[in-house]
Amino acid sequence: GIQVEQSPPDLILQEGANSTLRCNFSDSVNNLQWFHQNPWGQLINLFYIPSGTKQNGRLSATTVATERYSLLYISSSQTTDSGVYFCAVEGGESSGDKLTFGTGTRLAVRP
Amino acid sequence: ETGVTQSPTHLIKTRGQQVTLRCSSQSGHNTVSWYQQALGQGPQFIFQYYREEENGRGNFPPRFSGLQFPNYSSELNVNALELDDSALYLCASSPTVYYGYTFGSGTRLTVV
Repeated sequence: GIQVEQSPPDLILQEGANSTLRCNFSDSVNNLQWFHQNPWGQLINLFYIPSGTKQNGRLSATTVATERYSLLYISSSQTTDSGVYFCAVEGGESSGDKLTFGTGTRLAVRP
Repeated sequence: ETGVTQSPTHLIKTRGQQVTLRCSSQSGHNTVSWYQQALGQGPQFIFQYYREEENGRGNFPPRFSGLQFPNYSSELNVNALELDDSALYLCASSPTVYYGYTFGSGTRLTVV
């Protein structure tokens, strides 16, 4: 099945700093989503972005489908940005209609 | 943000028992998927239903089963619970594959 790798695995930022999270995937995809999982376990959908660039406030994402990677940018980070960020993809010849998740990036933003 | 509701939020069961977890999706969301998330890991796909038929299954044994109902609700049933079944169980729904999935807040199952 399709493989999804995220980097870095852990990230510590000072409040106000910017960061870039990366997601590499091993096959063509028809869906790519970025999620933020809060401390209570809720997976919040940040972006549905199988290709192109999107922005939502301090967050933006870019997916280069031909090169099989996606980037999530967080600007002017806040303590509420802390949590785990997951990239999930759907696609590939043997993957079917299901989301395959990466192992996540654990972000801690210090005040 | 979520229009997907899961119940209960927390559950404690004894090894060998059976459990039913419930999910209520948004109207028009014909696709519902269930995921298991062990501590410190990403969610793993259990199975997916489309218009009340199972149309995909992950690497989980048959004691994990499900149902989807016409009113956009669904169930995950687990028989003969094992300690390793302790996890966060997440339900996700989508109107079509082109809109992405919305997740519920999950049910945290502890098997003792």
